[in-house]
Amino acid sequence: EVQLVESGGGLVQPGGSLRLSCAASGFTFSSYEMNWVRQAPGKGLEWVSYISSSGSTIYYADSVKGRFTISRDNAKNSLYLQMNSLRAEDTAVYYCARPVPGIIAGMDVWGQGTTVTVSS
Amino acid sequence: QSVLTQPPSASGTPGQRVTISCSGSSSNIGSNTVNWYQQLPGTAPKLLIFRNNQRPSGVPDRFSGSKSGTSASLAISGLQSEDEAAYYCAAWDDSLNGRVVFGGGTKLTVL
Repeated sequence: EVQLVESGGGLVQPGGSLRLSCAASGFTFSSYEMNWVRQAPGKGLEWVSYISSSGSTIYYADSVKGRFTISRDNAKNSLYLQMNSLRAEDTAVYYCARPVPGIIAGMDVWGQGTTVTVSS
Repeated sequence: QSVLTQPPSASGTPGQRVTISCSGSSSNIGSNTVNWYQQLPGTAPKLLIFRNNQRPSGVPDRFSGSKSGTSASLAISGLQSEDEAAYYCAAWDDSLNGRVVFGGGTKLTVL
C-alpha cells in the first residue's frame, strides 16, 4: 500500500524550531518529487515547498523562504521540513504529498498530516 | 488572498449538476495545467482531476474538469450527499521562481 506518514508536529514557542518528517512506503520514493502543503485552522490549502526526486531542485513559498528547509533522504525513504524562526501564522496542519510525475501541483498521495501550533 | 479565485460557496440538490469555477492568470492557468481536490472535513485532500481533465483511478466519471484560457471549471453531475465537501483548484505558477498556487476553496453544500 502506498503510504505517507508525517510526524514531528507539536507545540512550539514563537521563534522556535521544529523538524517534520514524512515516512514513505509502498513505492520507489527515490523516483518521486515531493511537496509540503499546510492548512491553517479553518483556512484553505497553502503550498509550502517542493523538492525534486534527487533533491537537486527546491522551491519555497515566499511566506517560508529563508526560514524553512526541505530535504530528503532517499536511502531512508524520508522527507523532512526543518522549520526555524516559527511564527504564529505558521500554525497549521502540515501534509507531505506526492505529485503525479511531472505535475507538481497534482498530488495524488497525501499523508494524514501533523499539527504544528506556534504559541507562547 | 489566494492567487486562484474560486467562489466561496456552491450548492445543489441530489441528482443536479453543479460547476465550480477557478480563475487565474497567464502565469498559472494560462500556461499550466489545472488540478482539482476534494477535502472532506477532518481529512487530507484527495486528487479529483489532474492535467485539466484527467481522473485518477477510482474517481467516478461524475467528476469532470475543463480549462479555457486563464479559467477552469470542475463539474459534478448526479450530485450525491457524499459530495458535500470543500473543493480546491491548484496549478503551477511560473512567477516568483516557480510555485504551486491554490484557490481559496469552494464549500459545496448538498441541499
